Amino acid sequence: QSALTQPASVSGSPGQSITISCTGTSSDVGSYNYVSWYQQHPGKAPRLLIYNVSDRPSGVSNRFSASKSGYTASLTISGLQAEDEADYYCSSYTSSSTFVFGTGTKVTVL
Amino acid sequence: QVQVVESGGGVVQPGGSLRLSCAGSGFTFSNFALHWVRQAPGKGLEWVAVISLLGDRKHYADSVEGRFTISRDNSKNTLFLQMDSLRPEDTAVYYCAREGGGNTWSSFDYWGQGTLVTVSS
Repeated sequence: QSALTQPASVSGSPGQSITISCTGTSSDVGSYNYVSWYQQHPGKAPRLLIYNVSDRPSGVSNRFSASKSGYTASLTISGLQAEDEADYYCSSYTSSSTFVFGTGTKVTVL
Repeated sequence: QVQVVESGGGVVQPGGSLRLSCAGSGFTFSNFALHWVRQAPGKGLEWVAVISLLGDRKHYADSVEGRFTISRDNSKNTLFLQMDSLRPEDTAVYYCAREGGGNTWSSFDYWGQGTLVTVSS
């Protein structure tokens, strides 16, 4: 199972919006609404931001939103803040009853 | 509060074995599927394995199939990962994560802090 494709890096200024893409195949993103997104700060465990394509767990800021179209899922961070600087990963359930993560995106707040 | 705490990491020679444990608390352990996810130094996340509520369904990443075995003891609220025939490329921080999707497997809602496994001679 190949990793989902994400841009290596995305940057933005405070207050701006940025979008991270996550491209898969018909065996994962394209066939299931079980796409999730995670934030990871250096040296820390990942944190769930989005599940089931666009649902936010309680406690996650509504500045984080997500969607999916075809084989590509997207995470948008609105009103970018310094604390949003981190690595972001998407994940999808697959047709093999396994999971696959994205390659990861480093977000830099300028 | 919900917690999962990994233990058992360490340094092992290539070809050796290691058993990781993950203790859950703050939730009804037997009501949740559980996963292992790993992260090699400086690299991205890699899903490793999942086990169902009762342990009757298990699935593995191709990279560990046949070498790693996931299991659980619901009476002790503990998840395990038996790792055999270890290779240098298995060097990583191993995370235990709770399945957030209930009866459907969809996401990882609570993560431990991880335990480091180093495979080196």
